[in-house]
Parts: sequence; structure tokens; C-alpha cells
Amino acid sequence: EDQVTQSPEALRLQEGESSSLNCSYTVSGLRGLFWYRQDPGKGPEFLFTLYSAGEEKEKERLKATLTKKESFLHITAPKPEDSATYLCAVQASFNKFYFGSGTKLNVKP
Amino acid sequence: GAVVSQHPSRVICKSGTSVKIECRSLDFQATTMFWYRQFPKKSLMLMATSNEGSKATYEQGVEKDKFLINHASLTLSTLTVTSAHPEDSSFYICSGKGAGGTDTQYFGPGTRLTVL
Repeated sequence: EDQVTQSPEALRLQEGESSSLNCSYTVSGLRGLFWYRQDPGKGPEFLFTLYSAGEEKEKERLKATLTKKESFLHITAPKPEDSATYLCAVQASFNKFYFGSGTKLNVKP
Repeated sequence: GAVVSQHPSRVICKSGTSVKIECRSLDFQATTMFWYRQFPKKSLMLMATSNEGSKATYEQGVEKDKFLINHASLTLSTLTVTSAHPEDSSFYICSGKGAGGTDTQYFGPGTRLTVL
């Protein structure tokens, strides 16, 4: 069964405390893995697309990596404004997309 | 680039009325648009996928006669909630995906529907 699992469900960090969010997936025919950030009451904001194992992408304090089974979103020295829910999505065969349930990140000053 | 707008951002209506939500891709041609529903503190639930000029494909359990989707152009899709009831109250989000190259979905800001 195709599915995407994100962990942890919630993460509390102190400002400057680096950590990683996990997205593990089991899908047939991975075509792409996507990371989004969602603030309360808003639509998801696109962060990264990863297409093949070994690929990495960076944007400011965020870095996304991909293996054959999972993806990590590394947050380096987070700031309070990084607080949000981070969603992972996978595109499988036949243009099917699967979303994880998200990790709610809270960065305290 | 890759901006998607939704209108209205919030709507309150009486039970039994119909509500139309517009989704526009402002700077790209969205050959495929998706409509999602999101419950509080939950992830996105895909309702339907529509390709420009074609009938929408609805996910299992989504009533196509209740949630009418039209994708008449490469920049506009609409979702009409017909005869809305309180249980239809939710956060509705659309997304658009272009043809060729990237398969990334770009999301709109969402529409909060409250049915009294």
C-alpha cells in the first residue's frame, strides 16, 4: 500500500537548536518528493522538490535530502519564524500524490 | 513565480445555499488542478483532480454532484459546493500543476467555508 509517514508529529526546539524532520514513504514508481511549509489558516508554501536518491537541496536554514526510502528536512539554527507545519508529499505512478500528516514545528526564542 | 490565488478567502453561508470558490494560476498555465479539503490539525485530503477541458476525477467517497468542479481554462478552476450543510464547513485549498518539466503543485491560500 502506498503511504507517506512523517515523524515526529510535533517538535519543539529552542532557537538555534538544529534538528531534522523525517518523511518515510512506500510508493510504487516514485516520481518526485516535495516539501511544503504551511502556516495556520494558509495554503502550503512550496519549499523543495527532490527526484532521485542522493539529491539534496538547500534554502536558507533548510536542507532536504532524499534516499530510496525516506527524506529528511534538516533545520540548522532555527529561528522562531521557522515555526510552522512542514508537509511532505510524494508523487507516485499514474500521477497520484500522497501527503504525509505533517510535522508541527515550534521554535521558542 | 508559480502563484495561485483563491477567491473568496472566507465565506459564510446559510444551509441549503450553493457556494462557488475560484482558483486561478496567475503566472503559469495549470494543466492540472487539484482540490483539497483540510480539517483542523489534519493533513490535506484530496477531493478531486481536474485537467483543463476534461471532467474532474473524484476521489472515493467524494460526492461529485455535491462538489462540482469546472476547469474551463488553463488558469481557472472553480469548485461549487451545492446545497451546503454545516458538515461541509471546512478549509478548501486548490493547487495547480503545469505541463512538462516539474511536477510540483503550487497551492492557493485556501478558502474558509462556514455553513450556518
